[in-house]
Amino acid sequence: GAGVSQSPSNKVTEKGKDVELRCDPISGHTALYWYRQSLGQGLEFLIYFQGNSAPDKSGLPSDRFSAERTGGSVSTLTIQRTQQEDSAVYLCASSQDSHTQETQYFGPGTRLLVL
Amino acid sequence: AQSVAQPEDQVNVAEGNPLTVKCTYSVSGNPYLFWYVQYPNRGLQFLLKYITGDNLVKGSYGFEAEFNKSQTSFHLKKPSALVSDSALYFCAVRGNTGFQKLVFGTGTRLLVSP
Repeated sequence: GAGVSQSPSNKVTEKGKDVELRCDPISGHTALYWYRQSLGQGLEFLIYFQGNSAPDKSGLPSDRFSAERTGGSVSTLTIQRTQQEDSAVYLCASSQDSHTQETQYFGPGTRLLVL
Repeated sequence: AQSVAQPEDQVNVAEGNPLTVKCTYSVSGNPYLFWYVQYPNRGLQFLLKYITGDNLVKGSYGFEAEFNKSQTSFHLKKPSALVSDSALYFCAVRGNTGFQKLVFGTGTRLLVSP
């Protein structure tokens, strides 16, 4: 069956440019999550959506980061004015709902490199 | 706030031998515990979870984990390791009230030698 998909798989950009990362969750999953995986720093929670609402944005590192979700499906994570420290793998996950016992299923990630 | 510790950066085991990857946690209230595996250049794959009930949880690919409340541990085990089990393993925990984010450990690299 279809899992979580992310695009692009790799993105190289220049410092100062804006980037958009896309996530397609598993069909029917109402909850969607974004994480960042940096070398040597494990997985860092960024934001989650229940439906189209983002109740918890506390993990976004700065106001350069924003995310939206439309139609309760696809989500976009936007990083404005990228910095070299933004280089990381950005992982998206989805679950049936945001109840804490639900399993999150992850996509393959977008590897972002800021030069 | 919840936290997870994976005390070993790397675990080395010979193929056919049993393996254990350690995880301890801290959370308010009862925990929901998860194990994920990550192969190179891939996302995280779910292995198993503990929600309630039997302390021994069985998951994918022959892995199992034992929840120990008194020791706040959730160690991952497999009776007989395969070379193909070599990967990065993450333990994660959430609290069971309201919305609580999934908090991951720093990961343990498992290397199974032929």
